[in-house]
Amino acid sequence: QVQLQESGPGLVKPSETLSLTCAVSGYSISSGYYWGWIRQPPGKGLEWIGSIYHSGSTYYNPSLKSRVTISVDTSKNQFSLKLSSVTAADTAVYYCARQGYCSSTSCYAEWFDPWGQGTLVTVSS
Amino acid sequence: EIVLTQSPDFQSVTPKEKVTITCRASQSIGSSLHWYQQKPDQSPKLLIKYASQSISGVPSRFSGSGSGTDFTLTINSLEAEDAATYYCHQSSSLPQTFGQGTKVEIK
Repeated sequence: QVQLQESGPGLVKPSETLSLTCAVSGYSISSGYYWGWIRQPPGKGLEWIGSIYHSGSTYYNPSLKSRVTISVDTSKNQFSLKLSSVTAADTAVYYCARQGYCSSTSCYAEWFDPWGQGTLVTVSS
Repeated sequence: EIVLTQSPDFQSVTPKEKVTITCRASQSIGSSLHWYQQKPDQSPKLLIKYASQSISGVPSRFSGSGSGTDFTLTINSLEAEDAATYYCHQSSSLPQTFGQGTKVEIK
């Protein structure tokens, strides 16, 4: 059973960089799939931040692209999110999730399943 | 960017009633539409993929339909445990987007 667990600081100062890691168990990232980050401001809806293919190819939301970096570390079976120059508007629960499915030849970034439990990151001085 | 608009935003329903939530896309997305359920203080859970395909372990009272721009999530015979917020999500084009959510309350 695939499980994902987010970790990282729960409090980040304005203008600094938010850094989170998603540890994956029950599946080897190097075997395939896309892996994504989604966030949810308190009391609000879901926003896709970006996704990374197991090979390292990345896709970002244009609204965040200038500030986002997603990377994968297959040796540790985890992937990471960095969001720079944060403001209070970046306060949210951040989720990681596996995305889509893989056929015998390709993987496709479709639905998100499963999700991690989420981690609240507050941007405040 | 494709905008997904859900209706209604909120619904208060009696147990055993049928619930219908719609999701309208600002342009055609084929069947690349997925539904999630999020209970308070929990992460979202996948209910339906590709508009109408069921997910293993999800109760059969949840079903989806539609294609193109108009989609529907139906909950037949609502149960108390179905109190949650429901989101649609499109994977047809980047950036991937979510609907604003529909909160279902049990009367």
